[in-house]
Amino acid sequence: SQQGEEDPQALSIQEGENATMNCSYKTSINNLQWYRQNSGRGLVHLILIRSNEREKHSGRLRVTLDTSKKSSSLLITASRAADTASYFCATAADSNYQLIWGAGTKLIIKP
Amino acid sequence: EAGVAQSPRYKIIEKRQSVAFWCNPISGHATLYWYQQILGQGPKLLIQFQNNGVVDDSQLPKDRFSAERLKGVDSTLKIQPAKLEDSAVYLCASSPIAGERYNEQFFGPGTRLTVL
Repeated sequence: SQQGEEDPQALSIQEGENATMNCSYKTSINNLQWYRQNSGRGLVHLILIRSNEREKHSGRLRVTLDTSKKSSSLLITASRAADTASYFCATAADSNYQLIWGAGTKLIIKP
Repeated sequence: EAGVAQSPRYKIIEKRQSVAFWCNPISGHATLYWYQQILGQGPKLLIQFQNNGVVDDSQLPKDRFSAERLKGVDSTLKIQPAKLEDSAVYLCASSPIAGERYNEQFFGPGTRLTVL
């Protein structure tokens, strides 16, 4: 069953703008991860944030986690055409390494 | 470091036929996953192995799907007989169980299956 729900389902912005997508989940988690999927490189891990962390950065990516609201957001700054992809959040509940996935946000960057 | 290898990349079969997919994980990764991804949806876990043992196969339709991971390295997923609703991308992923990147999953390119 899918736990994460991404919002919005689709997002179209101009190159250079910032893109924000959100993820909500239902049960307690050990960590939350964001992945990107495009036709060229398949499904690729972007960033992992643990339940005791509130914010994490990696290059142009910023992830926040609010465990009280069971939600996370992914911010991509200064978007590029190459950022066009589907973005998925996935949650890990415990140490069995299993991830539960949302349905994804489809991001389109217009030149 | 070589990535996760999968073959074939594409497969077209008719319903009621059989098909098999192969996956070779990243060397040293103890955990291997098979996912089914239907167009427009997130990946759905079919089966998880740790070494050559099954951790979770609760969402594997066992009347038609089977998977094995002999010797704890590469793995095969089989569908027999296929149905129209099995049309999807089948993704294999692997993960280390220790170290800095444990719990991250590394994905292969997937096999796109079309059942006619």
